[in-house]
Amino acid sequence: QKEVEQDPGPLSVPEGAIVSLNCTYSNSAFQYFMWYRQYSRKGPELLMYTYSSGNKEDGRFTAQVDKSSKYISLFIRDSQPSDSATYLCAMSAGSGGYQKVTFGTGTKLQVIP
Amino acid sequence: GAVVSQHPSWVICKSGTSVKIECRSLDFQATTMFWYRQFPKQSLMLMATSNEGSKATYEQGVEKDKFLINHASLTLSTLTVTSAHPEDSSFYICSARGEGYGYTFGSGTRLTVV
Repeated sequence: QKEVEQDPGPLSVPEGAIVSLNCTYSNSAFQYFMWYRQYSRKGPELLMYTYSSGNKEDGRFTAQVDKSSKYISLFIRDSQPSDSATYLCAMSAGSGGYQKVTFGTGTKLQVIP
Repeated sequence: GAVVSQHPSWVICKSGTSVKIECRSLDFQATTMFWYRQFPKQSLMLMATSNEGSKATYEQGVEKDKFLINHASLTLSTLTVTSAHPEDSSFYICSARGEGYGYTFGSGTRLTVV
């Protein structure tokens, strides 16, 4: 079993839809959770960063962490064609700069105009 | 915000030659940088953790002599792929943690060995 599981998709939605992206994990030591967006042939770009359980909102993006279920989500409201990309969840046990980060495989999202 | 610059963005080299990839933190000091490799439709695979002023820590299965990592300063880490072979063709990405939160990635280097 992988430490982080993420459905690779692809996920196709119409413009304006609410998108839900999810990851599950098995390592209970993970406390820091991140979502990255990666366009084709580019490096990942940090979207959201959360610590422990709870919700965090930033514009059209909302990140949720449920540590009891080992489940994290990213919601995108009013999705736009420019949101079409691969979304990677990532997590680490600590916040130190040396901490190893474990990534999901990424979910490819396509928003259709 | 934290910016990580990675060069070159793409490179084509002949089999048997060596290629150097640079990763620079532009507006922050990065004691630790990470090097990843990404295959098509797969996630980022951590290759090694690069620590300023000391030897890199390689992940299991990554050849130290093939993927040479140097972290000579707090803002620069380099990855050299030695004696490259076609199977080394991949997308290589560096990252570093800036002040505050999260890990900032470079824009990646697409290496093609012919």
